Amino acid sequence: QQQVKQSPQSLIVQKGGISIINCAYENTAFDYFPWYQQFPGKGPALLIAIRPDVSEKKEGRFTISFNKSAKQFSLHIMDSQPGDSATYFCAATTGNQFYFGTGTSLTVIP
Amino acid sequence: EAQVTQNPRYLITVTGKKLTVTCSQNMNHEYMSWYRQDPGLGLRQIYYSMNVEVTDKGDVPEGYKVSRKEKRNFPLILESPSPNQTSLYFCASRRWGRGNQPQHFGDGTRLSIL
Repeated sequence: QQQVKQSPQSLIVQKGGISIINCAYENTAFDYFPWYQQFPGKGPALLIAIRPDVSEKKEGRFTISFNKSAKQFSLHIMDSQPGDSATYFCAATTGNQFYFGTGTSLTVIP
Repeated sequence: EAQVTQNPRYLITVTGKKLTVTCSQNMNHEYMSWYRQDPGLGLRQIYYSMNVEVTDKGDVPEGYKVSRKEKRNFPLILESPSPNQTSLYFCASRRWGRGNQPQHFGDGTRLSIL
């Protein structure tokens, strides 16, 4: 079964808007939650990551919000730009094994 | 330039014909891993290796083999490929340690098995 559940499958946002992607997990042994960005024809690239002892992490326009009790975490992209159009994957890991969400295709309309 | 290199990038082959996808990294990373990416399923881990001669199964290891004889190389072997192994494959590497070390991915290998 899917260890990390991601939604929505696709997202269309106007330039300057906020993009929000949500993920949920069950395994409390996960201790690291990265987000990856993937452009067509390329491999995923680490965007931002968080550990479960932190409730929020911000890097530029990208913010992860983490709710340990609800076992949920989300990616917020502020002031979304057309260059942010890509597929985004959340992931969770125990250190050796990585589990990815099913991906969200984000389109930012100029 | 730090990179993970996969070959071939594209391959069309037939059921049962053994194939190997190579993966090489130049960052002296201890940890390497293989994933397959399928529409609607995201990336799923096939095998990983924590160092030379140390490998372990990921989430979907059936039908695949790996070996880690050198630190920089981690080939993926399909002994008898079947159509359900048609997929986009990614190799990744990272420095060994706790999970907060970023994974570096190759650009992928698209396999079509007829």
